Amino acid sequence: DGGITQSPKYLFRKEGQNVTLSCEQNLNHDAMYWYRQDPGQGLRLIYYSQIVNDFQKGDIAEGYSVSREKKESFPLTVTSAQKNPTAFYLCASSGYTGNTEAFFGQGTRLTVV
Amino acid sequence: QQPVQSPQAVILREGEDAVINCSSSKALYSVHWYRQKHGEAPVFLMILLKGGEQKGHEKISASFNEKKQQSSLYLTASQLSYSGTYFCGTASNDYKLSFGAGTTVTVRA
Repeated sequence: DGGITQSPKYLFRKEGQNVTLSCEQNLNHDAMYWYRQDPGQGLRLIYYSQIVNDFQKGDIAEGYSVSREKKESFPLTVTSAQKNPTAFYLCASSGYTGNTEAFFGQGTRLTVV
Repeated sequence: QQPVQSPQAVILREGEDAVINCSSSKALYSVHWYRQKHGEAPVFLMILLKGGEQKGHEKISASFNEKKQQSSLYLTASQLSYSGTYFCGTASNDYKLSFGAGTTVTVRA
């Protein structure tokens, strides 16, 4: 079955540690996105990528980093520079940025203690 | 920059109608609408491209006014299953797909 997979579903980390969230899709989509969801703030775009080896900052990129070495994978690293990393993170992919449906993963809930 | 949605929340009785609005300060290429149930991933409802088209999905339809950079989602004869948080997503020429803060819809029997 085609889809987009995020792992793990729940993640706990100590403050000051970097952590990498996984996002894999087998939909052959060119575009991939990372969003952060906090109560009352909707989905805020962290990074997005239209093609392999290229990505752009979204609206809240500070404290995060990404890579796009393979078409199907777009991992997100939450660095120690992110001041408030505890949140629900959603990854999405689409066939072509902007004019086709985006499919979302089930999300990763990150808790930093 | 995130599009602006209104209202923040709406409570309906089954069978009532509602309108959710979405506006952007940037020229839009497309508008997307999604619905998210608690604890689940957002689910695609429809996409509207430049051209002022209107699309429908059962009793949920939407319009897109590209001149005003606005879109509206119409929930007609609401059902209990329509409860959830609705997000509009907008894409401009830079291909960023940005979402609004969401509108929480509660449909009561």
